[in-house]
Amino acid sequence: SYELTQPPSVSVSPGQTARITCSGDALPKQYAYWYQQKPGQAPVLVIYKDSERPSGIPERFSGSSSGTTVTLTISGVQAEDEADYYCQSADSSGTPHVVFGGGTKLTVL
Amino acid sequence: EVQLVESGGGLVQPGGSLRLSCAASGFTFSSYWMSWVRQAPGKGLEWVANIKQDGSEKYYVDSVKGRFTISRDNAKNSLYLQMNSLRAEDTAVYYCARGRYFDWLARSIDPRLSYYFDYWGQGTLVTVSS
Repeated sequence: SYELTQPPSVSVSPGQTARITCSGDALPKQYAYWYQQKPGQAPVLVIYKDSERPSGIPERFSGSSSGTTVTLTISGVQAEDEADYYCQSADSSGTPHVVFGGGTKLTVL
Repeated sequence: EVQLVESGGGLVQPGGSLRLSCAASGFTFSSYWMSWVRQAPGKGLEWVANIKQDGSEKYYVDSVKGRFTISRDNAKNSLYLQMNSLRAEDTAVYYCARGRYFDWLARSIDPRLSYYFDYWGQGTLVTVSS
């Protein structure tokens, strides 16, 4: 079955830049999406179609894509950005079968 | 404001059944795909099922095929998940989510378009245990 691979954890100091990667063989053929989940809360969409930002999401959140890897970048990290981040895409079957990465815990030191 | 409110979770014995509901408001429910996504305690997100606007297409993760059924009632702005033959590994918070999926024309223009979730409910906990 299709898999998306994320690092389990990333740590940065406030004000620094955090980069969270997500790798998958089908990513050149399918867009990636990113969700932020804080403890006890529902996920929130922060990036769609690799690099688009929904309304209400701060500009410090950005996304990029290169080959089989997509990257979520958080510039000028703030304490409130500490959360789990999940990438999501679909397999290349042409059906809406969704796949999530395992998630990355972002720790703000 | 888009709102999704799940209900119906609880404690059930292995082999038992449960029906989850999701009440939607703040948008035209019948115009959107809808989905269920679950999260086992301390674990990551797992997609469970999607249903098309008119209910004519349904998709499931392999682990629930034949046991779970997604359905919707557009007149009641409601989404459902009937869960049968429940197992301990089905224990999770179940989220209702609004799906975004593009028609064949849009996907023929941009083949990279794929399904995603733009709004989520707060979830309902299902515990399968004896």
